Amino acid sequence: AQSVTQLGSHVSVSEGALVLLRCNYSSSVPPYLFWYVQYPNQGLQLLLKYTSAATLVKGINGFEAEFKKSETSFHLTKPSAHMSDAAEYFCAVKPNTGNQFYFGTGTSLTVIP
Amino acid sequence: NAGVTQTPKFRVLKTGQSMTLLCAQDMNHEYMYWYRQDPGMGLRLIHYSVGEGTTAKGEVPDGYNVSRLKKQNFLLGLESAAPSQTSVYFCASSYELARDSTYNEQFFGPGTRLTVL
Repeated sequence: AQSVTQLGSHVSVSEGALVLLRCNYSSSVPPYLFWYVQYPNQGLQLLLKYTSAATLVKGINGFEAEFKKSETSFHLTKPSAHMSDAAEYFCAVKPNTGNQFYFGTGTSLTVIP
Repeated sequence: NAGVTQTPKFRVLKTGQSMTLLCAQDMNHEYMYWYRQDPGMGLRLIHYSVGEGTTAKGEVPDGYNVSRLKKQNFLLGLESAAPSQTSVYFCASSYELARDSTYNEQFFGPGTRLTVL
């Protein structure tokens, strides 16, 4: 079965510092990969997605993620954190076969002024 | 477009009561999903549907039933609510998940917060 691992359930960074949220997946065949953001009391919004077109994917709000097949990783980064980035971030995987998406357990990002 | 909407936003039930959560989407999506979100566990798939009149079980289907009588609606039912079903429920929809499709993503509703006493 597919699994998605997000290392670090809570990450704190200072405003202006680099944001790095980690995601690893278990699959021998590269799946479709996604990062979603959830603000308090809201649904999930798509930040970016990898669909095999390019290994470095740029998303909204200055976020980007790099697909590394050798490491089965899809880490999310942002060069400079903003207070408005404080939220819960979920990595998700859609295997090449089947109709289901698999979500990681989420990483809560806190931005310190 | 309203996107994905969920009704109700909040609900408190007593153990043993029943209720139905409604999800509606106006994007003509084929696929619809119900998830539950619990602290430290991320989102877990309850049931999903790949088209009108079809449903399938996800990771945690026990205690829930679903129906997809119309393409735009996906209903989640709890026949006899239990405290373990206290959670936030999210509905999502997507286009048909074709390989190499650029439409390969889910759109989420705002969630329903359910408490079972």
